[in-house]
Amino acid sequence: DQQVKQNSPSLSVQEGRISILNCDYTNSMFDYFLWYKKYPAEGPTFLISISSIKDKNEDGRFTVFLNKSAKHLSLHIVPSQPGDSAVYFCAAPISTSGTYKYIFGTGTRLKVLA
Amino acid sequence: DTEVTQTPKHLVMGMTNKKSLKCEQHMGHRAMYWYKQKAKKPPELMFVYSYEKLSINESVPSRFSPECPNSSLLNLHLHALQPEDSALYLCASSQSDRGLGEQYFGPGTRLTVT
Repeated sequence: DQQVKQNSPSLSVQEGRISILNCDYTNSMFDYFLWYKKYPAEGPTFLISISSIKDKNEDGRFTVFLNKSAKHLSLHIVPSQPGDSAVYFCAAPISTSGTYKYIFGTGTRLKVLA
Repeated sequence: DTEVTQTPKHLVMGMTNKKSLKCEQHMGHRAMYWYKQKAKKPPELMFVYSYEKLSINESVPSRFSPECPNSSLLNLHLHALQPEDSALYLCASSQSDRGLGEQYFGPGTRLTVT
């Protein structure tokens, strides 16, 4: 079974500083992780992904790091901007009869202070 | 274009009503999904369609009935719902027919059951 945990339910960061969001998972059979950002009353927006062949993936201000031995991934946002204030979900895959489904973490609410 | 559209945006229905949620994508994606999200919780998978065939049903009660008329459309038929079914219903699609990789979400339908 796959469990995905985001142990920090909320995080406040000053504008311009780095935001670090963490995620832990239990099933490491399939390593293709996703990060989403969600504003209230909207659907999640895909941010960035990372596969097991990498330990880092970067896209503009967003970088995701994967530590396979620790079963841990983190999302870095630098510099943080007020528009980044949202709930961030990580998602890890699990296979069910040859089809993959994603289990989402509980989310971290990021607030970037101007 | 990574747009998934959903209608209606809001829906209020009584417990004896029959209603349908609609989802559409024109990205040529091979898999489509229904998720349910309650307040302050992560999205929870309900159904997965791959190549217009139901591949995953997460033991969802029969009062929710999915339908995939063609590769671009996904419906969720609702009948005899309970107040606890009130939630944000999200549709998503992915290029991968097996579900591994990025999923793109629609804006959701906010459902209230009275």
